[in-house]
Amino acid sequence: GNSVTQMEGPVTLSEEAFLTINCTYTATGYPSLFWYVQYPGEGLQLLLKATKADDKGSNKGFEATYRKETTSFHLEKGSVQVSDSAVYFCALSEDTGNQFYFGTGTSLTVIP
Amino acid sequence: NAGVMQNPRHLVRRRGQEARLRCSPMKGHSHVYWYRQLPEEGLKFMVYLQKENIIDESGMPKERFSAEFPKEGPSILRIQQVVRGDSAAYFCASWAGTANSPLHFGNGTRLTVT
Repeated sequence: GNSVTQMEGPVTLSEEAFLTINCTYTATGYPSLFWYVQYPGEGLQLLLKATKADDKGSNKGFEATYRKETTSFHLEKGSVQVSDSAVYFCALSEDTGNQFYFGTGTSLTVIP
Repeated sequence: NAGVMQNPRHLVRRRGQEARLRCSPMKGHSHVYWYRQLPEEGLKFMVYLQKENIIDESGMPKERFSAEFPKEGPSILRIQQVVRGDSAAYFCASWAGTANSPLHFGNGTRLTVT
């Protein structure tokens, strides 16, 4: 079946540090992959996506590359800011489109 | 605002009362998903609906919970005879219905049962 596994949190980084949040997936077909961000008291917002192997999604300095050979979609940012403190969710949708699978979320705190 | 609208943002109910949570999807979307999130936890899928049809309710408790998405008007998640354990944030997400398109989430309804 389909599933998403994220690295355990919480993650605490100093401002301007490099961020990696690992995400691996299991899927039977050719899924689309997503990263969402949830700020306190809000809903999930789409951060970036990739729909096929070797695609790179990017937004607001965040990047993730769809790696079919390692079934991974790790989130990276070169220099985090305090405002990036949030919970990050990795997700996939199967190629039929209507089933979505979420990781458990990784809490990130960036300290000045 | 063309985003997913949920109301109310906060809802307080006493044990035994009914809670009704509303969700208006993005314009043009006819697919709605409901999720529950407990504090410090991830999302738990509850139900997936299209207009007038429940497609997948495998995540919904068999008793006290129901959902609908009528031809006209918002999707409703209804919880009857609420208990303290129902206290959580409930999120609605809408989907365009095309492969590779993402879910779009509302800001949730935070239900507190006293």
